[in-house]
Amino acid sequence: DGGITQSPKYLFRKEGQNVTLSCEQNLNHDAMYWYRQDPGQGLRLIYYSQIVNDFQKGDIAEGYSVSREKKESFPLTVTSAQKNPTAFYLCASSTRGEGNQPQHFGDGTRLSIL
Amino acid sequence: DQQVKQNSPSLSVQEGRISILNCDYTNSMFDYFLWYKKYPAEGPTFLISISSIKDKNEDGRFTVFLNKSAKHLSLHIVPSQPGDSAVYFCAARVTSGTYKYIFGTGTRLKVLA
Repeated sequence: DGGITQSPKYLFRKEGQNVTLSCEQNLNHDAMYWYRQDPGQGLRLIYYSQIVNDFQKGDIAEGYSVSREKKESFPLTVTSAQKNPTAFYLCASSTRGEGNQPQHFGDGTRLSIL
Repeated sequence: DQQVKQNSPSLSVQEGRISILNCDYTNSMFDYFLWYKKYPAEGPTFLISISSIKDKNEDGRFTVFLNKSAKHLSLHIVPSQPGDSAVYFCAARVTSGTYKYIFGTGTRLKVLA
């Protein structure tokens, strides 16, 4: 059945290392999103993509990069430039167009620094 | 600046009673408001939404009210059940056609048996 898969569930990064978080969806959704959640805070938008080969920065894009080469996939790379990467990362997708288009979320990846 | 605010970080309610979760917003350029429910270590799941041109939407035990003049929305859960214990996020969709969502900080609801 359809859904969003994030992997891995837990990820550890050494200082100065880049890591890539995977997000795959089989919902045939055009739009995909990456959020970061820190304790006591809401979801903050990192990057989003409306269609393949196009993406926009969200509110906290510094230190992150994305690609959208396929409709189903929207990987997020946490670079060494991100000084505080420890957080819970959530990927979401939705259809586009008029009317309410709620987002569907994956179960998240928890990133920790060794 | 926080455009969507949930000022109550937590709420405890007795089973069977009504739970009321509140959300305030500062931007008038939102066309839909949504509520999501989140359990620990899982992604949020969509609960209910309301268009900015409506003032009420109901789905079973869940009702969302929108007061545009006060820039305030609320989620009512009645009767509350222990399984409703979770973190609830309100979110607003920007109307500019970018399909971008702004989330509140969440309210942790605990329903006491």
